[in-house]
Amino acid sequence: QKEVEQDPGPLSVPEGAIVSLNCTYSNSAFQYFMWYRQYSRKGPELLMYTYSSGNKEDGRFTAQVDKSSKYISLFIRDSQPSDSATYLCAMREVSGGYQKVTFGIGTKLQVIP
Amino acid sequence: GAVVSQHPSRVICKSGTSVKIECRSLDFQATTMFWYRQFPKQSLMLMATSNEGSKATYEQGVEKDKFLINHASLTLSTLTVTSAHPEDSSFYICSARAQPGQGYNEQFFGPGTRLTVL
Repeated sequence: QKEVEQDPGPLSVPEGAIVSLNCTYSNSAFQYFMWYRQYSRKGPELLMYTYSSGNKEDGRFTAQVDKSSKYISLFIRDSQPSDSATYLCAMREVSGGYQKVTFGIGTKLQVIP
Repeated sequence: GAVVSQHPSRVICKSGTSVKIECRSLDFQATTMFWYRQFPKQSLMLMATSNEGSKATYEQGVEKDKFLINHASLTLSTLTVTSAHPEDSSFYICSARAQPGQGYNEQFFGPGTRLTVL
């Protein structure tokens, strides 16, 4: 079993739809949770990061973490064609020194005009 | 802020040659830089972690003599793929994490380098 599971998609939605992207994980020591957006042939761009459980909102994006279920989500409201990209979840433990980040495989999202 | 650049963005080389990729943090000092590779439809795979002024720490299965990493300053790390072969063709991405106190707690990624070995 992988430490982080993420459906690769592709996920196609019409413009304006609410998008829900999810990851599950098995390592209960993960405390920091991130979402990255990666356009084709580009490096990942950090969208949001949260510490421990709860919600965090930034514009059209909302990140949720449910540590009891080992489940994290990213919601995109009023989706736009420019949101079409691959979204990677990532997470790491909190410990002294070097903290390795574990990435999901990424979900490819296509927003259709 | 938090911009990371990579050079070159794309390189094509012959089998057996060496290729150097540069990673720079442009507006912050990076205590730690990371090198990843990404194959099509696969996740980012960490190759190694480098701290300024010390030897890189390589992940299991990554040949340190083949992938030479140098982190000579707080803003520059290089990855040299020595004696490249077609199976080394991939998308190489670096990331950098700022020193504590600079306000950036997470890794910021460069735009990636597409390596094609003929």
